[in-house]
Amino acid sequence: EPEVTQTPSHQVTQMGQEVILRCVPISNHLYFYWYRQILGQKVEFLVSFYNNEISEKSEIFDDQFSVERPDGSNFTLKIRSTKLEDSAMYFCASEPGLAYNEQFFGPGTRLTVL
Amino acid sequence: AQSVTQLGSHVSVSEGALVLLRCNYSSSVPPYLFWYVQYPNQGLQLLLKYTSAATLVKGINGFEAEFKKSETSFHLTKPSAHMSDAAEYFCAVSFGGKLIFGQGTELSVKP
Repeated sequence: EPEVTQTPSHQVTQMGQEVILRCVPISNHLYFYWYRQILGQKVEFLVSFYNNEISEKSEIFDDQFSVERPDGSNFTLKIRSTKLEDSAMYFCASEPGLAYNEQFFGPGTRLTVL
Repeated sequence: AQSVTQLGSHVSVSEGALVLLRCNYSSSVPPYLFWYVQYPNQGLQLLLKYTSAATLVKGINGFEAEFKKSETSFHLTKPSAHMSDAAEYFCAVSFGGKLIFGQGTELSVKP
């Protein structure tokens, strides 16, 4: 069964460093999302992406964040200068189309900023 | 604005007992509602979804949820808990494509 994959599973970085989190959505899905979950807190929406552009972004998704679909398969989240408070689990999700009403989540990348 | 409230951050039941996880929503439009489960160190797995068809929705692993518009609720139930049900459960509402999650309820199952 097709699934969303994410790499790496765990990333440790120093404050101020750039990180890129990678996701491979399910093939032929059209909508892509990033969410994050700070330890002990709820899952929060970061950004949605469709047709090679951002559809919507949350207040969390400031200028330090960017997303890209550099080729036909990968979907990346870049944090330019990480802060301690960026430490969280980051989930990628994809969806065939909005009418389908089901997002398929990857296993997540745990980001630890020291 | 859309929002979700899950009552009880932690629920503990005995194996074989009824599982009831509560979720109330706020939505200005007819909602699409979801329950996701997260096992330790894993991603989010869809248990079931309500998309304005039948109000009683059956999902995987014996779970079901009933949409009650008058109570703005979408509680998750399972008649008989199993040890393997121990996990974190998230209720979510869809708004313009994005999911808005509740705070989560951790379910513990005692032998």
